[in-house]
Amino acid sequence: EVQLVESGGGLVQPGGSLRLSCAASGITISGHYMDWVRQAPGKGLEWVGRSRDKAHSYTTEYAASVKDRFTLSRDDSKNSLYLQMNRLKTEDTAVYYCATTYFHSDIYWPDQWGQGTLVTVSS
Amino acid sequence: DIQLTQSPSFLSASVGDRVTITCRASQGISSYLAWFQQKPGKAPKLLICAASTLQSGVPSRFSGSGSGTEFTLTISSLQPEDFATYYCQHFNNYPLTFGGGTKVEIK
Repeated sequence: EVQLVESGGGLVQPGGSLRLSCAASGITISGHYMDWVRQAPGKGLEWVGRSRDKAHSYTTEYAASVKDRFTLSRDDSKNSLYLQMNRLKTEDTAVYYCATTYFHSDIYWPDQWGQGTLVTVSS
Repeated sequence: DIQLTQSPSFLSASVGDRVTITCRASQGISSYLAWFQQKPGKAPKLLICAASTLQSGVPSRFSGSGSGTEFTLTISSLQPEDFATYYCQHFNNYPLTFGGGTKVEIK
């Protein structure tokens, strides 16, 4: 059974930094594209970024709202994905979900999700 | 960036009703669209990918259709466990945007 567990959320002041982790079990994430998606309190879903698999050199894509502030990385030895968040803003307050994907009809679809971790940016 | 517009944003329906949710893309996205179900306090759940491919374990009362710019999610007979918020997301190019969501509530 695939399990994704996010951690690292918490309260941080505006302008601060935080690193989220997504630890996987039941799956080797080096062979999978991985996504981060967030949801501000009472709001809809927002795609944050994507890390391609090892075969595609772990290249990344980001939403414009986080580009140049957030960075995706991985540690194969820990089977984990990370989201380094710098220069945090109050509008980054959200539950952050990681998801792994599967390949079908030319596209990588996010089919397994973690339970999420809450990030609160406030002074 | 591609914008996805879902309608309605809110829907009140009864158990047994047929429900249809629409997702319109601001430009053509072929069949690169997924539908998710989300219940309060829970992670999204992938229901349908590639516009019409039902995920394993998802009841057959759910179906998806469409291509290009207009897509629909249909629940043929609404069940109590289907009351949730539904989102579409495109995968045509980056950024991978979501629709605004459709909340389905009990009438």
